[in-house]
Amino acid sequence: KNEVEQSPQNLTAQEGEFITINCSYSVGISALHWLQQHPGGGIVSLFMLSSGKKKHGRLIATINIQEKHSSLHITASHPRDSAVYICAVSPRGSARQLTFGSGTQLTVLP
Amino acid sequence: DGGITQSPKYLFRKEGQNVTLSCEQNLNHDAMYWYRQDPGQGLRLIYYSQIVNDFQKGDIAEGYSVSREKKESFPLTVTSAQKNPTAFYLCASRISDVNSPLHFGNGTRLTVT
Repeated sequence: KNEVEQSPQNLTAQEGEFITINCSYSVGISALHWLQQHPGGGIVSLFMLSSGKKKHGRLIATINIQEKHSSLHITASHPRDSAVYICAVSPRGSARQLTFGSGTQLTVLP
Repeated sequence: DGGITQSPKYLFRKEGQNVTLSCEQNLNHDAMYWYRQDPGQGLRLIYYSQIVNDFQKGDIAEGYSVSREKKESFPLTVTSAQKNPTAFYLCASRISDVNSPLHFGNGTRLTVT
């Protein structure tokens, strides 16, 4: 069983829809990261959080430490949001930084 | 602007040849990482370095080698011993704090035939 599980693996939405991507993990963590990978392959960091909720523009990330679960929400989705969204965790006490989920491919149709 | 540069973007090699992937950063980051990405799988750690002249094996180090002679540079060599080298390779860096965000390069897609 992977330490980090994401769902769904693929998601297609119409422009304007509210989108939720889920991440569950099985280890103790010091932080959870949400990353965005565009078709060209480059990855950017969206959020790093260890409790509660963070918001940046139309993106919202939440985490429930007790349930070992995080969600990434996109409000008023747009075709430019189409990308792979990756959840990753920093296992507590590890210097290796991150354990990655396999990603969620999001396609937003105009 | 500061960032991480990986080159080349696409690389083609014949089986049995060693190949070196470049990774340079001007962010003054201490730690650097190499990841491999295969379809349907999460990124897997190949090697990482937390300081110049020191590096550690990650989860899939067999068939790979690295060096860290300069803070800015962390090249990865894919040797002929790597059984399945065709993949997308990503380099990343961060400051010393283990909870700081990673900064990624744009990746190198290696195809070995």
